[in-house]
Amino acid sequence: DAGVIQSPRHEVTEMGQEVTLRCKPISGHDYLFWYRQTMMRGLELLIYFNNNVPIDDSGMPEDRFSAKMPNASFSTLKIQPSEPRDSAVYFCATDGKYGYTFGSGTRLTVV
Amino acid sequence: EDQVTQSPEALRLQEGESSSLNCSYTVSGLRGLFWYRQDPGKGPEFLFTLYSAGEEKEKERLKATLTKKESFLHITAPKPEDSATYLCAVQESTGFQKLVFGTGTRLLVSP
Repeated sequence: DAGVIQSPRHEVTEMGQEVTLRCKPISGHDYLFWYRQTMMRGLELLIYFNNNVPIDDSGMPEDRFSAKMPNASFSTLKIQPSEPRDSAVYFCATDGKYGYTFGSGTRLTVV
Repeated sequence: EDQVTQSPEALRLQEGESSSLNCSYTVSGLRGLFWYRQDPGKGPEFLFTLYSAGEEKEKERLKATLTKKESFLHITAPKPEDSATYLCAVQESTGFQKLVFGTGTRLLVSP
């Protein structure tokens, strides 16, 4: 079991550019969550899916953020256009038998 | 709205010096309270789930307890490798799977 796989691990981009973060969940886990972590606000839930269907996107900060889960083995979080305040670590997690399993995260820096 | 408050924000211990971390929560109905450990540059790693007041769980030098308003993570005779950020999260009993996290306690254990 390779766990939850996120890519890229680090992303540095200029303000205004489009950023796409990727997640490969653990096979068989029905729920997928996208979280954002900052020093000031900790871990914040952005959106989550159940069986590939978005259930709650109330945490998505603005229309610049969008997420998709086209199939059970892949999800993306897109920011367009990116802004410096989007700089954070973005985590993908899936819900297994013993609680969430998190990926290693993508550290996004928008300059 | 669910709220999770962790204290202290940071804690410095000498190796062997036992202590406790606190997690206070407000939730309309508790399905579960979760403890995670997070090392720098990594995603949170699951430690425990507690479901009802009075429940206790142990893992090596860690013991988690739960009351109706708060949870404690007791660390007995800590070692430097216990240094990490410890996160607490709650899950409502309303049927939704999402976890609401506190901002964590950063623990540093010195040899």
